[in-house]
Amino acid sequence: SYVLTQPPSVSVAPGKTATITCEGDNIGSKTVHWYQQKPGQAPVLVISYDSRRPSGIPERFSGSNSGNSATLAITRVEAGDEADYYCQVWIVTTDHRVFGGGTKLTVL
Amino acid sequence: EVQLVESGGDLVKPGGSLRLSCTASGFAFSNFTVNWVRQAPGKGLEWVSAITGSGAYIDYGDSMKGRATVSRDNARNSLFLHMNSLRVEDTAIYYCVRESRGTVAPFDYWGQGTLVTVSS
Repeated sequence: SYVLTQPPSVSVAPGKTATITCEGDNIGSKTVHWYQQKPGQAPVLVISYDSRRPSGIPERFSGSNSGNSATLAITRVEAGDEADYYCQVWIVTTDHRVFGGGTKLTVL
Repeated sequence: EVQLVESGGDLVKPGGSLRLSCTASGFAFSNFTVNWVRQAPGKGLEWVSAITGSGAYIDYGDSMKGRATVSRDNARNSLFLHMNSLRVEDTAIYYCVRESRGTVAPFDYWGQGTLVTVSS
């Protein structure tokens, strides 16, 4: 089965840029979506189709995907960005949806 | 406003069965694939199952394959998940999730989840 690997945690100072990676075999050939989950809440889609921002998501959130790694970047990080972030792909050959293990973003 | 409201979560003994429900509103339910995604306490997200708008195509993740049956009633804007032979490791919040339309689409709307606890 296809495995997506994320760092368990990332820490960043307010105002700086946070980057969260999602590694998978030739993930650049797949479409990656990213979700933000704050404690006690359901996940929220923050980046779709590698780099698209859904309505209402700040421009500070961006995504990229190539080779064996996809990246979620959050510029000018704010305290309110502290959350768990998950990458997700759809395996076309099996129609299975797969999540990464999640990354806890801590704002120092 | 799109809403997904899950119900049916409960405390159940290992080996038992449970049926979860999800009621949708605010969109044309029959036009969308809907999924179940679960999250064990303190753990990450895990895809459980998907069912297309017509119900013609269904798939399951490895963790519950053979022990879960997903179905839908488009006349009642409802999604169901029947789980049997439940294990302690099935303890989780179960989310009802809409999939956006299109190929390899993202999960664009999530319910608040219903808690299933499997324990003796």
